[in-house]
Amino acid sequence: AQSVTQPDIHITVSEGASLELRCNYSYGATPYLFWYVQSPGQGLQLLLKYFSGDTLVQGIKGFEAEFKRSQSSFNLRKPSVHWSDAAEYFCAVGAPSASKIIFGSGTRLSIRP
Amino acid sequence: EAQVTQNPRYLITVTGKKLTVTCSQNMNHEYMSWYRQDPGLGLRQIYYSMNVEVTDKGDVPEGYKVSRKEKRNFPLILESPSPNQTSLYFCASRGPNNYGYTFGSGTRLTVV
Repeated sequence: AQSVTQPDIHITVSEGASLELRCNYSYGATPYLFWYVQSPGQGLQLLLKYFSGDTLVQGIKGFEAEFKRSQSSFNLRKPSVHWSDAAEYFCAVGAPSASKIIFGSGTRLSIRP
Repeated sequence: EAQVTQNPRYLITVTGKKLTVTCSQNMNHEYMSWYRQDPGLGLRQIYYSMNVEVTDKGDVPEGYKVSRKEKRNFPLILESPSPNQTSLYFCASRGPNNYGYTFGSGTRLTVV
């Protein structure tokens, strides 16, 4: 079955600390992988995407993610978080011809001053 | 500016009163989709459309209808809303090859 698992429902980190949000997927075809961010009351904004090539991808707002095929993972990282990073983060998987992308249930990030 | 526009942003209605949530995109995308977002469940696809006059069910289509008479618009119709359709709804579109979706700002619907 196709699915995306984000094992952490809620994470709190201190401002300036590093961040890693976990994402594991199950997908039959070669996956396209995405991370989206949703700020309170807002829609979803694409942070970064992976299709092929270099397994470390850079995104907006200083985020990066690493695709590890052997672990079926696509974890999101940021070296130093800012208070404005507080939001909900969604990992998603799809394929070129797929009729949809499948979302994880999200990880809510809180920032401790 | 490339965008997906949904209206209204907020809507409170009563059970059984038909409503339509509009969605429009200005990127000439062929593919459009509706999702609902519920706490702990992430986003689940309701309906999608691969092109004009081509629509299909997603994972949770019950109680919803859609139409795609022109490329830019993809309205979501609730013929007889029920309280379990209280949710946050997102419209999205994408270009070819699934290179990421562009989402609207969402419509928060409450059915009482």
